[in-house]
Amino acid sequence: AQSVTQPDIHITVSEGASLELRCNYSYGATPYLFWYVQSPGQGLQLLLKYFSGDTLVQGIKGFEAEFKRSQSSFNLRKPSVHWSDAAEYFCAVGPQYSSASKIIFGSGTRLSIRP
Amino acid sequence: EPEVTQTPSHQVTQMGQEVILRCVPISNHLYFYWYRQILGQKVEFLVSFYNNEISEKSEIFDDQFSVERPDGSNFTLKIRSTKLEDSAMYFCASGRQSNTGELFFGEGSRLTVL
Repeated sequence: AQSVTQPDIHITVSEGASLELRCNYSYGATPYLFWYVQSPGQGLQLLLKYFSGDTLVQGIKGFEAEFKRSQSSFNLRKPSVHWSDAAEYFCAVGPQYSSASKIIFGSGTRLSIRP
Repeated sequence: EPEVTQTPSHQVTQMGQEVILRCVPISNHLYFYWYRQILGQKVEFLVSFYNNEISEKSEIFDDQFSVERPDGSNFTLKIRSTKLEDSAMYFCASGRQSNTGELFFGEGSRLTVL
């Protein structure tokens, strides 16, 4: 069965500290992988995506993620967080080569920033 | 930059009433989706729509739900007889013509059923 696991429900880091949000997936084949961010009361904004090629992908707002096939992981990282990064982060997977691919979301990780 | 737009941003309705949520996807997209997020929970897939028909639907999408693309630009979600548990944020999304798998989401419509 297809699934996405984000083991951390809530993480608090200090402003300026580094960040890593974990994501593991279960899928039949190599999926498309995404990270979305949701600020309070807002919609979902795409941070970055992995389709193929270089396993380290760069996204917006200084975020990056690394696809590790052997670990079925796609962890999100940022070297130095800013107070504006406080939000809910969702990892998601979607199938390749599907006529109408749906995305499956993880349960999300809420990020709080300590001043 | 093109974006997906949704109306209304917030709707309050009485249990048993019909609700229609509207979405205008990005103009050259061909794949359309509705997702739901109950407060504090994960974003759940409801339905996908392609070539004027439903491609896939989840177990949540029962006979009370329907989708339509009435005029080539709007994409609507109708809930025929709302229940308390339908209270949620409903997100519309659209996908590119080439189906890269990336979805573009609207800002959501919050539905409150009393």
